[in-house]
Amino acid sequence: KAGVTQTPRYLIKTRGQQVTLSCSPISGHRSVSWYQQTPGQGLQFLFEYFSETQRNKGNFPGRFSGRQFSNSRSEMNVSTLELGDSALYLCASRPRAGAGNEQFFGPGTRLTVL
Amino acid sequence: DQQVKQNSPSLSVQEGRISILNCDYTNSMFDYFLWYKKYPAEGPTFLISISSIKDKNEDGRFTVFLNKSAKHLSLHIVPSQPGDSAVYFCAASGKTSGSRLTFGEGTQLTVNP
Repeated sequence: KAGVTQTPRYLIKTRGQQVTLSCSPISGHRSVSWYQQTPGQGLQFLFEYFSETQRNKGNFPGRFSGRQFSNSRSEMNVSTLELGDSALYLCASRPRAGAGNEQFFGPGTRLTVL
Repeated sequence: DQQVKQNSPSLSVQEGRISILNCDYTNSMFDYFLWYKKYPAEGPTFLISISSIKDKNEDGRFTVFLNKSAKHLSLHIVPSQPGDSAVYFCAASGKTSGSRLTFGEGTQLTVNP
């Protein structure tokens, strides 16, 4: 079974721009979560989508948004980029929503904001 | 407020010996715990998990122990191999946090040949 895929793998943007990252979950997985990893803050939860609905949201500003499509693929968008948004953005999928089951991560998208 | 803490940023062990990675948590609502391994430029790879109704779970060379009264879990790797060298993260979730995983800061494990 193919794993979680994320595109693009690397991205360079400038302050004030916006960016869209894409995630395709493992086949059959309906829940997709997004995490941000930075050296200072570690791995931080952004949000989770299940059946095209946002189920859970972390403590990030409204500039960070996401959506999920009917085929479970997900996108996250960051508007008005700031230098501090430079990070590794990770997508994870699981078979169902809720706690008590493992999440499987993709390779991440490395975003650099100049 | 760091709800999941890995107090050792790094650990070095000899090949063939046991590696013990530790993790403490403060949120008593956490009831499911996971360990992930991460290589540079890759996403975390799931290793092993444990529910709060258990105190031990084994999978091959990996064993996770949970001490609920101490709010402490540990990952044992026996025997350690050079390929185990990576950053190890513990993570926790609970009924009130739903799907959200709260991660520790990670421990860099180096297994020396």
